[in-house]
Amino acid sequence: DIQVTQSPSSLSASLGDRVTITCRASQVISTSLAWYQQRPGKAPKLLLHTTSTLASGVPSRFSGSGSGTDFTLTISSLQPEDFATYYCQQYYTIPPYTFGQGTKLEI
Amino acid sequence: EVQLVESGGGLVQPGGSLRLSCAATGFTVSNSYMTWVRQAPGKGLEWVSVIFGGGTTYYADSVKGRFTLSRDKSNNTLYLQMNSLRADDTAFYYCARDRGGTYHAGHFDKWGQGTLVTVSS
Repeated sequence: DIQVTQSPSSLSASLGDRVTITCRASQVISTSLAWYQQRPGKAPKLLLHTTSTLASGVPSRFSGSGSGTDFTLTISSLQPEDFATYYCQQYYTIPPYTFGQGTKLEI
Repeated sequence: EVQLVESGGGLVQPGGSLRLSCAATGFTVSNSYMTWVRQAPGKGLEWVSVIFGGGTTYYADSVKGRFTLSRDKSNNTLYLQMNSLRADDTAFYYCARDRGGTYHAGHFDKWGQGTLVTVSS
């Protein structure tokens, strides 16, 4: 099974900051990586797929990059609603679909 | 509008059974790729099971042989039958639709609100 490892597990930042979250796969997954945002008590929300394609309705301050085994999610200027937990997910080889362990973004 | 509504969660004793439902509106479950993902309280996301458009199902090793995924065309609903439940099955269970709909994209754009399953004596 392909493992995905996120870092950091938690991150403190301020409004307007630029932040980057990293996801590393245990083997090459091409660009088959998605990112989700989860606010407390809510279901996950798809942010990006195919590494860098924004899902419908997602603001352009979110961006993704990478290929192979190393990927990043960048938020260019933090807004209040961005403080949440973020997960990456690989879908190159399934089953299983595998998620990273999550990165909690706090003020 | 696409919407998913889960139901069927609750408290069950170890070894017991429960059936979760995921009622869909705005699209057809019977030919869509659909999945279940769970999240233990305070923990991360764990994929549980997927059904392909043609009906093939796959399961995480942790639930294989105990959980069964099915769908009902007549009421446009996805089901997860959970047997031989254990304490480590305690989690919020989410159903989700593959963004590809009737083809496999591998990521999930529509999610239900989740239903809590608690396995405890």
